Amino acid sequence: GESVGLHLPTLSVQEGDNSIINCAYSNSASDYFIWYKQESGKGPQFIIDIRSNMDKRQGQRVTVLLNKTVKHLSLQIAATQPGDSAVYFCAENPNTGGFKTIFGAGTRLFVKA
Amino acid sequence: GAVVSQHPSWVICKSGTSVKIECRSLDFQATTMFWYRQFPKQSLMLMATSNEGSKATYEQGVEKDKFLINHASLTLSTLTVTSAHPEDSSFYICSASDGTQYFGPGTRLTVL
Repeated sequence: GESVGLHLPTLSVQEGDNSIINCAYSNSASDYFIWYKQESGKGPQFIIDIRSNMDKRQGQRVTVLLNKTVKHLSLQIAATQPGDSAVYFCAENPNTGGFKTIFGAGTRLFVKA
Repeated sequence: GAVVSQHPSWVICKSGTSVKIECRSLDFQATTMFWYRQFPKQSLMLMATSNEGSKATYEQGVEKDKFLINHASLTLSTLTVTSAHPEDSSFYICSASDGTQYFGPGTRLTVL
């Protein structure tokens, strides 16, 4: 079946530190990857994306790294702030001819002030 | 940016009743809409892909007769949970795509 999350792992960081959230994806044919942030009771919010022909992409305070060899994605957040506290999901487009997005398990980020 | 709305934002219903959830793209036309379900502390699970004017494509294990999807226009898709039971209680999230996928705020369904 598709990627299914169980109970979410938690990452706790001090305000101002850098955060690294990791994700393993399942489909070697996937060609597009996205990181989403989800706050409690809300829908996912787009953070950054990357295509499979790249291995790194930077945004404002965020960087996504893609390692296709081991099917691994990471999201780096610089100078983490309390407002970054949320659940972070990686997602993949399995390149099956449509735009559907399959979500990974998710990681809860807790920022200590 | 593109906005997707859902209505209602939350609903409580009795077991055995049907509930309809609307998903609208407010400022763009969505060729494709998706419906997801999310249980507490879990990830989003894709339920179905909906294209305007055609039948929805359901993911494996999702009952199409229980979760009725109608995509009558390029800005509206509806999900009807028929004969709802407590195990259907969940957070239902839609997304709309014009090539880029935009997510709605979700609908919390509680079945008593």
